[in-house]
Amino acid sequence: GESVGLHLPTLSVQEGDNSIINCAYSNSASDYFIWYKQESGKGPQFIIDIRSNMDKRQGQRVTVLLNKTVKHLSLQIAATQPGDSAVYFCAEANYGGSQGNLIFGKGTKLSVKP
Amino acid sequence: DTGVSQNPRHKITKRGQNVTFRCDPISEHNRLYWYRQTLGQGPEFLTYFQNEAQLEKSRLLSDRFSAERPKGSFSTLEIQRTEQGDSAMYLCASSPRGEQYFGPGTRLTVT
Repeated sequence: GESVGLHLPTLSVQEGDNSIINCAYSNSASDYFIWYKQESGKGPQFIIDIRSNMDKRQGQRVTVLLNKTVKHLSLQIAATQPGDSAVYFCAEANYGGSQGNLIFGKGTKLSVKP
Repeated sequence: DTGVSQNPRHKITKRGQNVTFRCDPISEHNRLYWYRQTLGQGPEFLTYFQNEAQLEKSRLLSDRFSAERPKGSFSTLEIQRTEQGDSAMYLCASSPRGEQYFGPGTRLTVT
């Protein structure tokens, strides 16, 4: 069935280091992928998205990589800061086949040590 | 604040009572989504509106749940005869197309 999962449930990094959060998806029909950051007690906050016709997209301090061959998605955060500590979710959608409802994974908790 | 807003932020109710939540999307976003999130899990899709039309509903949306978006702007989600299993964070998101922007959520606790 369709699923979006994460390889690592927790990730602890030192402030200033780069972070890499990984995600696997199983629906080859998904054409849109998105990363969210969620802090405790708050709604998910949009970080960056990528469409299936791309394999890399960069934002401010963040990069998303998409490997459709192995159905893998990753989020790279450069120079991780304490404010980056949160739970990160990847999500997928199939805009070509549905209305774009997102399917989320369980999340990876990122802890940044000062 | 021009983001998605949700009210109330917290709701405590007794089992069997009805509750209603409101979502005000980002203006001019014609797409509106409701999700439910339980502790430690990612959000799960409940239902989707394009303007005032409810175009998709998840199997999670039992007949005790109903959602409306009467004028294509704000939306309400009602849960009738609440059960303890309904305790969760209810999230609303709006979208022009593509990225979805979430509100802060309504935390429901059913006692």
